Amino acid sequence: DADVTQTPRNRITKTGKRIMLECSQTKGHDRMYWYRQDPGLGLRLIYYSFDVKDINKGEISDGYSVSRQAQAKFSLSLESAIPNQTALYFCATSDLAGPLDQPQHFGDGTRLSIL
Amino acid sequence: QKEVEQNSGPLSVPEGAIASLNCTYSDRGSQSFFWYRQYSGKSPELIMSIYSNGDKEDGRFTAQLNKASQYVSLLIRDSQPSDSATYLCAVKGGEYGNKLVFGAGTILRVKS
Repeated sequence: DADVTQTPRNRITKTGKRIMLECSQTKGHDRMYWYRQDPGLGLRLIYYSFDVKDINKGEISDGYSVSRQAQAKFSLSLESAIPNQTALYFCATSDLAGPLDQPQHFGDGTRLSIL
Repeated sequence: QKEVEQNSGPLSVPEGAIASLNCTYSDRGSQSFFWYRQYSGKSPELIMSIYSNGDKEDGRFTAQLNKASQYVSLLIRDSQPSDSATYLCAVKGGEYGNKLVFGAGTILRVKS
């Protein structure tokens, strides 16, 4: 089983719909992240959470919200989807180990298309 | 100025050659540096991390860090067609804090 699981893997929906992408992890990491990836732009951080009570905006949080339901679960919502939110979305986790923390581990991604 | 810059490529090398991938970053306080490999449509996977100046070798991969020049590179020796992918440079620390900032990636093509 994958350490970081994203659902759904693919989703096609219409403009204006509310969408939730879910992420769960079995790595026991405290830190979880949501990224989106667009061609030529690399990965951009949407939101991140360092523990259940901690939520932080990333580089491109407008139009998105998140919920950290438990240490292992971190959901991303698009309240009213628009076509330019069409992208590949990744969830990631990391663990702090001393002053130089560990790199992040990624889920398999959710390919989201908004028509 | 983009925080983490990479040449988008594609970088084409013949099988068996050395592939050299480069990355520059803007924040001098950065502390952690990573190289990820990403096959088309797949998730990034970590291949190298480096935290101090100099070289770090792992199999066919060598990461090189020069903090004074704000430069990190990845060398792939004996390149194989299976190395064909997008390579993402990522930087953490300094003003970036706990956030991992990615470059846009370099496409590598290894021709057999």
